[in-house]
Amino acid sequence: DQQVKQNSPSLSVQEGRISILNCDYTNSMFDYFLWYKKYPAEGPTFLISISSIKDKNEDGRFTVFLNKSAKHLSLHIVPSQPGDSAVYFCAARAGTASKLTFGTGTRLQVTL
Amino acid sequence: DTEVTQTPKHLVMGMTNKKSLKCEQHMGHRAMYWYKQKAKKPPELMFVYSYEKLSINESVPSRFSPECPNSSLLNLHLHALQPEDSALYLCASSQSVTSRRYYEQYFGPGTRLTVT
Repeated sequence: DQQVKQNSPSLSVQEGRISILNCDYTNSMFDYFLWYKKYPAEGPTFLISISSIKDKNEDGRFTVFLNKSAKHLSLHIVPSQPGDSAVYFCAARAGTASKLTFGTGTRLQVTL
Repeated sequence: DTEVTQTPKHLVMGMTNKKSLKCEQHMGHRAMYWYKQKAKKPPELMFVYSYEKLSINESVPSRFSPECPNSSLLNLHLHALQPEDSALYLCASSQSVTSRRYYEQYFGPGTRLTVT
């Protein structure tokens, strides 16, 4: 049972435009959400997070939006740069658990 | 220093071999994790250590044996593995579970394991 889903396996965006990556979850106990970026042959790199008490968190070019009623979160990257090309995973945590549940990932390609 | 290091980068082993994966962090983190990642799949949690004690074992077969000798080091001992255990093994660390941001995990580059 996949509790965190990223329904778009891939996304292509032109440099300078906005990239929007989406993530849906089913477990209403999740209260903290994170986005990771992964380059080939490297481990995932933490990007940005959001608590369930907020609906938006911004860090430079990256903004995460959370819609609790829809059980949906999204990562916006503005403006997109070629170095943003990577696989993006969303992850979620429930309560005080140490465990993160990851989505299946979305491969973003930023073209020139 | 926000780096988690893992050795070796690549490992090929036979089903009768015994080998170990190593992970090190110097961020003062008190929680460390082992994940397994198969191609085109998300990372799957295997073990969690908190303050050098095993706190979570996600029903991992006993042919995988974790060890946390101190707060900076995490090992994964491998014995009698199967070909289906071939995967990328990722180590991660985070602040102690009493910290507000303990769920932000920092990953190493992984060890690519092939079992023949």
